[in-house]
Amino acid sequence: AQSVTQLDSQVPVFEEAPVELRCNYSSSVSVYLFWYVQYPNQGLQLLLKYLSGSTLVKGINGFEAEFNKSQTSFHLRKPSVHISDTAEYFCAVTAPLGYGGSQGNLIFGKGTKLSVKP
Amino acid sequence: DTGVSQDPRHKITKRGQNVTFRCDPISEHNRLYWYRQTLGQGPEFLTYFQNEAQLEKSRLLSDRFSAERPKGSFSTLEIQRTEQGDSAMYLCASSLGRPSYNEQFFGPGTRLTVL
Repeated sequence: AQSVTQLDSQVPVFEEAPVELRCNYSSSVSVYLFWYVQYPNQGLQLLLKYLSGSTLVKGINGFEAEFNKSQTSFHLRKPSVHISDTAEYFCAVTAPLGYGGSQGNLIFGKGTKLSVKP
Repeated sequence: DTGVSQDPRHKITKRGQNVTFRCDPISEHNRLYWYRQTLGQGPEFLTYFQNEAQLEKSRLLSDRFSAERPKGSFSTLEIQRTEQGDSAMYLCASSLGRPSYNEQFFGPGTRLTVL
């Protein structure tokens, strides 16, 4: 079974400052990792994903994340945030289909609310 | 491709009533997932279908919940005798279910409020 821990429930930051949202996971098998963003009263939009290969992955809206297997982390970063980045961000994990009984359902963290102030 | 759609977007009901939600996945996607998201939490898996077969159900899915996906197209989630604890956002997602990789596309959700 997999689990995800998002270490910060809220992150306030000023516009144009850098930000890092932290995510740690646990799993007994190889995993795929995702970051989703959720704007108020909307569904989830995929920001980026790690499947294999390069540990630094780039996503939409200028976000990137680094997979660190030894630290079981997948932190999300952006060098300069905008007011429009204010939203809730979810880290999620799943095992490849059929791996360890995985049916592909995502395991989510509790989310981090990013608040960008002018 | 219009994405995943869900109906209704909002539902307010009284305790004890039955409610039904609908999800229309992306047309060529054979896998469909239901999740529930309560306030302050991330989405939690409820159940999933491959085509019309319901292949897994979470322990969160009590006997009052039932889901169907007739003909492997749209899906419905019914909650009978609703309780206040059922108040949540219900999210649907669909995917192609390729051999190893499973990117899920989410709908906008149905927000249920049980009074």
